[in-house]
Amino acid sequence: GEDVEQSLFLSVREGDSSVINCTYTDSSSTYLYWYKQEPGAGLQLLTYIFSNMDMKQDQRLTVLLNKKDKHLSLRIADTQTGDSAIYFCAERRDSSASKIIFGSGTRLSIRP
Amino acid sequence: EAQVTQNPRYLITVTGKKLTVTCSQNMNHEYMSWYRQDPGLGLRQIYYSMNVEVTDKGDVPEGYKVSRKEKRNFPLILESPSPNQTSLYFCASSLNGNSPLHFGNGTRLTVT
Repeated sequence: GEDVEQSLFLSVREGDSSVINCTYTDSSSTYLYWYKQEPGAGLQLLTYIFSNMDMKQDQRLTVLLNKKDKHLSLRIADTQTGDSAIYFCAERRDSSASKIIFGSGTRLSIRP
Repeated sequence: EAQVTQNPRYLITVTGKKLTVTCSQNMNHEYMSWYRQDPGLGLRQIYYSMNVEVTDKGDVPEGYKVSRKEKRNFPLILESPSPNQTSLYFCASSLNGNSPLHFGNGTRLTVT
């Protein structure tokens, strides 16, 4: 995950918004993904954005993409205890057939 | 139910004893892949397969083998496991090389 970077931990208060950030390095990336991993489970696709988009909103989730700075963020509105998980940013590179590069994951914890 | 199934969920073995972790998907996906997850390193790709009888190395293929004799199955083989292969392993599949990945629930392997 050295080419996709995320901070390891984030703690937010229940009801607040969570913003998880990610930076990537390959300008040929076509798709950028956010996956959620709950304890003892595999990764679940949350949302994704195509590289020609700036923003995508899906209920409580908002994805922002700044292609110039190679920066991706995931905002979770009204964070709930069920949002506690590890969130992985991932990029699909056009330059390398079918290769998805994952970040090291951000562990989101919710405090009351 | 559409899913990726890995077996076993947990495995403890000794150095040098050959083992196989099975992976099966029921979604008629062409693309399948194996990852290992280690703390602070995110997910690293071991091998992937674009279709039946087509397999390619990922970022960390050393010490692993795979086969893709039929579309639904993609077993991961460790001919002579070593302690540095102690990890959490995930199988994933997607419709094709450009689609989002669906993950299994993981196999936690310990090699003593």
